[in-house]
Amino acid sequence: GAVVSQHPSWVICKSGTSVKIECRSLDFQATTMFWYRQFPKQSLMLMATSNEGSKATYEQGVEKDKFLINHASLTLSTLTVTSAHPEDSSFYICSARPGARDGYTFGSGTRLTVV
Amino acid sequence: AQTVTQSQPEMSVQEAETVTLSCTYDTSESDYYLFWYKQPPSRQMILVIRQEAYKQQNATENRFSVNFQKAAKSFSLKISDSQLGDAAMYFCAYRRNNNDMRFGAGTRLTVKP
Repeated sequence: GAVVSQHPSWVICKSGTSVKIECRSLDFQATTMFWYRQFPKQSLMLMATSNEGSKATYEQGVEKDKFLINHASLTLSTLTVTSAHPEDSSFYICSARPGARDGYTFGSGTRLTVV
Repeated sequence: AQTVTQSQPEMSVQEAETVTLSCTYDTSESDYYLFWYKQPPSRQMILVIRQEAYKQQNATENRFSVNFQKAAKSFSLKISDSQLGDAAMYFCAYRRNNNDMRFGAGTRLTVKP
């Protein structure tokens, strides 16, 4: 089946530094990928829609200058958390849809801890 | 705006018994998709079952089935013959055509041996 690979699975960084998270579709092309954020014991909240070859679409309240998204190819989208702060600590998950009628396939997630 | 509501934060079921998880949604669209995802402690999101709104027949996947009531905007998940491995967070989700997916708050299912 369709696989979405997400790396790293966990990362610890210092306040003020930047962290890049990669999301790859391994056996299908994804013109659109989605980035979600999940706080402990809460649901997935959509952060942004990543579009190949164009600018990402951000949800209301998500700082686009802080959460930089790049979708340079049909199989790779990256999320960069810039100038990270402890409140950015969370679980970040990407997803993509292999076909028009399919459910979304999710990456395994990245646990970010900012100290 | 589309919203998804799961009114049961936690549910518990005895092993081998049946449990039903509730989900309601709000939309003005007629064409959309509904999903149930399972998130075990690993936090990997796993698709359990999906339903196209235009289909009247309820979707079934082995021990998992749904009761889709389009007029009532209700989409419940029934798990039969519950197994210990079914213990997880379950999220109901809505997607309109090529748009993004919106999730409910989730229901934590505990399976008692």
